[in-house]
Amino acid sequence: DGGITQSPKYLFRKEGQNVTLSCEQNLNHDAMYWYRQDPGQGLRLIYYSQIVNDFQKGDIAEGYSVSREKKESFPLTVTSAQKNPTAFYLCASSIVATPNQPQHFGDGTRLSIL
Amino acid sequence: GDSVTQMEGPVTLSEEAFLTINCTYTATGYPSLFWYVQYPGEGLQLLLKATKADDKGSNKGFEATYRKETTSFHLEKGSVQVSDSAVYFCALSELPSILTGGGNKLTFGTGTQLKVEL
Repeated sequence: DGGITQSPKYLFRKEGQNVTLSCEQNLNHDAMYWYRQDPGQGLRLIYYSQIVNDFQKGDIAEGYSVSREKKESFPLTVTSAQKNPTAFYLCASSIVATPNQPQHFGDGTRLSIL
Repeated sequence: GDSVTQMEGPVTLSEEAFLTINCTYTATGYPSLFWYVQYPGEGLQLLLKATKADDKGSNKGFEATYRKETTSFHLEKGSVQVSDSAVYFCALSELPSILTGGGNKLTFGTGTQLKVEL
């Protein structure tokens, strides 16, 4: 079955450490997105990419970085500059970057601080 | 900027009760509107969508009508089940701006938790 796979499901970060969250899709979608979910705040966009080797900052990009070297992969790095990284991170993809196409979501990665 | 406002939860209903979750939006253009559902520990799943005024999206007994005059997209279901217990998110998406660039992004409401009891 086609879908979006996020790994790991749970991740722990030590102080001063960078961690990378994986997102892979086999839906042949062009666009991919990263969201952060905090309790009571809904989802906020971190980064998005419409095409390979291109990406744009979302609303809360500070302390995060991404790459899009392959169409099917969009890893997110949470850097040590992100002082409050504890959250649920969701990756999504869509066919093309147009509003009529829904985004498809992975099952998320929960990041916590040790 | 764009925004979505949902009724606060949690909403607790008995099985077979009627459900309404209110959603209103603010947007500068002509957004598409979505309802997503999130079950515990999982990602979001698309529940239904509407792309223009007066469209009605429906799926699994849930319905929502795109009301441009009231900028609303309320979610309804005639008879809820225990299995409907989840968090429901209203979201909008607008066309990319030629001036500001950027692509599609979803603006979400804060979510409404629904709990259905026997």
